[in-house]
Amino acid sequence: KAGVTQTPRYLIKTRGQQVTLSCSPISGHRSVSWYQQTPGQGLQFLFEYFSETQRNKGNFPGRFSGRQFSNSRSEMNVSTLELGDSALYLCASSPGQGVDTQYFGPGTRLTVL
Amino acid sequence: AQSVTQLDSQVPVFEEAPVELRCNYSSSVSVYLFWYVQYPNQGLQLLLKYLSGSTLVKGINGFEAEFNKSQTSFHLRKPSVHISDTAEYFCAVSSSGGYQKVTFGIGTKLQVIP
Repeated sequence: KAGVTQTPRYLIKTRGQQVTLSCSPISGHRSVSWYQQTPGQGLQFLFEYFSETQRNKGNFPGRFSGRQFSNSRSEMNVSTLELGDSALYLCASSPGQGVDTQYFGPGTRLTVL
Repeated sequence: AQSVTQLDSQVPVFEEAPVELRCNYSSSVSVYLFWYVQYPNQGLQLLLKYLSGSTLVKGINGFEAEFNKSQTSFHLRKPSVHISDTAEYFCAVSSSGGYQKVTFGIGTKLQVIP
């Protein structure tokens, strides 16, 4: 099976812009979770989607949003970018039943100038 | 609420020496515990997990971890490290509840010295 793919791998934006990141889970996986990774804060949970519904949410402002499509692919959107949003954004997929092993993609490196 | 504490931000160790990476957790309910490894410019890869049963868990690449409920710890060990083990290691906890909400520790950078 193909692994989790994330596009784009690298992105440079300026403050105030918005950005959309994409994640394609492993075939058959229905749960997609998003994490923000920064040197100072480590990995922080953004949200999880299961069958097109947001099932769980972390403590991030409303500028961070996501959605999941019927084929389980997920997008994450950040509006009104701030310098502090520069990070590696990781997506993880799992079958979605109970506590499963999460399989991570390589991440999207977002730089905000 | 659940939390994870990784007590060491960096651990240098000589090649072929043993290593222990420490992890403590807190949770008000039953937990599931994980160790992940992240190589430079890559995503995270699962090393091992504890869901239930035997408290000694064996993972990939010769790593193992022991779940200690009384000490709320899940330390990762390897008897003999290789240069290729140089990476960042993350401990993570997920509470029972039927859905994914995983809390990660801040990470421990393992540097293997030739």
